[in-house]
Amino acid sequence: DTGVSQDPRHKITKRGQNVTFRCDPISEHNRLYWYRQTLGQGPEFLTYFQNEAQLEKSRLLSDRFSAERPKGSFSTLEIQRTEQGDSAMYLCASSLEGNGYTFGSGTRLTVV
Amino acid sequence: DAKTTQPTSMDCAEGRAANLPCNHSTISGNEYVYWYRQIHSQGPQYIIHGLKNNETNEMASLIITEDRKSSTLILPHATLRDTAVYYCIVRVVAGANNLFFGTGTRLTVIP
Repeated sequence: DTGVSQDPRHKITKRGQNVTFRCDPISEHNRLYWYRQTLGQGPEFLTYFQNEAQLEKSRLLSDRFSAERPKGSFSTLEIQRTEQGDSAMYLCASSLEGNGYTFGSGTRLTVV
Repeated sequence: DAKTTQPTSMDCAEGRAANLPCNHSTISGNEYVYWYRQIHSQGPQYIIHGLKNNETNEMASLIITEDRKSSTLILPHATLRDTAVYYCIVRVVAGANNLFFGTGTRLTVIP
């Protein structure tokens, strides 16, 4: 297992388009997290899954954002009708019961 | 989780020890101090964590004051590859579902 994988690494999209990112966690990790990071700021929590259940959402996660984790393995984060303010690095992390928190390298989204 | 205060930036000469301070005056008895770092364009990387005793691993040492209101991360021999943003986080192990990063300390190692 090579760690947490995120795809794509970079995404450029036009305003108003929908985008979807994928995260593959460490295989034995039951918890999966999504964070967003804008320039000069630390990562900010978006949402969290325990197995396939989405247990917590931040107020940052507007109605245009949706995350899924079918079968409790990989996860997807979709942003509908993208806006320029959505431009950021989207980070995924996984852990086993909250221990061994490991991050992926992130997906950098640019909305033009 | 308790909040932390860190200097915005620090410089360190290559080969010297880098000492990164963190204040966490509202830390609770069951909260650990965690350190992560983020090298440009990568995800945060775990460095070390501790409760009240000093800790050391292959990457760094963590010194926690007796009252646990502050701590120092020590990189004993800084290299250029240690240039990164360092985040000090306090949390309950396996309790909190997310990490609060703050803005961290940008460490620049100078040749």
